[in-house]
Amino acid sequence: EDKVVQSPLSLVVHEGDTVTLNCSYEVTNFRSLLWYKQEKKAPTFLFMLTSSGIEKKSGRLSSILDKKELFSILNITATQTGDSAIYLCAVLLSGYSTLTFGKGTMLLVSP
Amino acid sequence: DGGITQSPKYLFRKEGQNVTLSCEQNLNHDAMYWYRQDPGQGLRLIYYSQIVNDFQKGDIAEGYSVSREKKESFPLTVTSAQKNPTAFYLCASKVEGFQETQYFGPGTRLLVL
Repeated sequence: EDKVVQSPLSLVVHEGDTVTLNCSYEVTNFRSLLWYKQEKKAPTFLFMLTSSGIEKKSGRLSSILDKKELFSILNITATQTGDSAIYLCAVLLSGYSTLTFGKGTMLLVSP
Repeated sequence: DGGITQSPKYLFRKEGQNVTLSCEQNLNHDAMYWYRQDPGQGLRLIYYSQIVNDFQKGDIAEGYSVSREKKESFPLTVTSAQKNPTAFYLCASKVEGFQETQYFGPGTRLLVL
């Protein structure tokens, strides 16, 4: 059975801290890994990672994939209260158009 | 404006009642998806459709039904057979192709009275 596991499940940090969110997977025929941010309603797309070792960056957020160890990390530097959200990791399998999601990490950034 | 719309925002269901959640997109996307989200859980796939007049069951299809008569529309019916329907329902769509990401609608929260 395909599995996507995120850790931690929840996290509280102070504004300005740096956080690292983890996503590991055990799937057959891996194709891509995606990160989404969900504030109150619709998840919004952050990154899609297909190749190992290539960092993707957007402002204070960055992410990297390790296909040998089967995990990805999402880093947020200099956190702000607006970063408070659920961060979802999902895996796309080769030959399918559906995503398998992890349970998400709930991040709370306190002022 | 291009995007995915879901209605209603909130929906109340009585015991034994079927209810239908609407999902419309004007992005000309081929594939559409329905997910259910419970507190502390990730998104679980209910049904998906890659082309008009065709759809497949996801991981938790029991108690739900869908139709795909038009490319723009993918309504989800929560039937009385779904014994625990209280959840947040998200619709998504994407261009067909393995490298294209899914885009989500704003969701419908379903509550049982």
